[in-house]
Amino acid sequence: LAKTTQPISMDSYEGQEVNITCSHNNIATNDYITWYQQFPSQGPRFIIQGYKTKVTNEGASLFIPADRKSSTLSLPRVSLSDTAVYYCLVGSSGSARQLTFGSGTQLTVLP
Amino acid sequence: GAVVSQHPSRVICKSGTSVKIECRSLDFQATTMFWYRQFPKKSLMLMATSNEGSKATYEQGVEKDKFLINHASLTLSTLTVTSAHPEDSSFYICSARLPSGAGDTQYFGPGTRLTVL
Repeated sequence: LAKTTQPISMDSYEGQEVNITCSHNNIATNDYITWYQQFPSQGPRFIIQGYKTKVTNEGASLFIPADRKSSTLSLPRVSLSDTAVYYCLVGSSGSARQLTFGSGTQLTVLP
Repeated sequence: GAVVSQHPSRVICKSGTSVKIECRSLDFQATTMFWYRQFPKKSLMLMATSNEGSKATYEQGVEKDKFLINHASLTLSTLTVTSAHPEDSSFYICSARLPSGAGDTQYFGPGTRLTVL
């Protein structure tokens, strides 16, 4: 089961680009990398998922190097409403095990 | 798409009573659903994996007789906290695995805040 390591917290200012890196050294060949966002007292919200290289959707990009041992979630021009906990998870639908949440990264966007 | 609902969103009960929480996938069928609990300022802890038509798989340390899980249809899983006690007070979150694609994508419900007095 791939374990993930993220910074516990990050601070940023409105309008800046934020990059949150996650390490997953023992990622398996079939594993995908998925990022979730969670606000207090709410369930996690799916942000983005990728397998390799770069994935972009509305509001976020995911960069994955060739060795796939890490990934970086990029949030362009953050706003106060992006203040949340961000979780990086790895896994695959074919795996007998399920996603395990690490500690996540508390992102605080300051005015 | 991929919407998961939970009901109730908040429940307060007396010690010793049982509480049932429903988790529904509204626009897709989910053969696998998951139940998590989350304490304040902590990460989500997986309690059990709910499989449609079969028994749930519980994580180590989770009492299966206390946290009863039923997954009777492809869109509904229920978690019943039996004989609840104050230490069971927590935020319970369910998720449903999207069946398409190779990535393990789970969509989460909004959570249920349980307070046991």
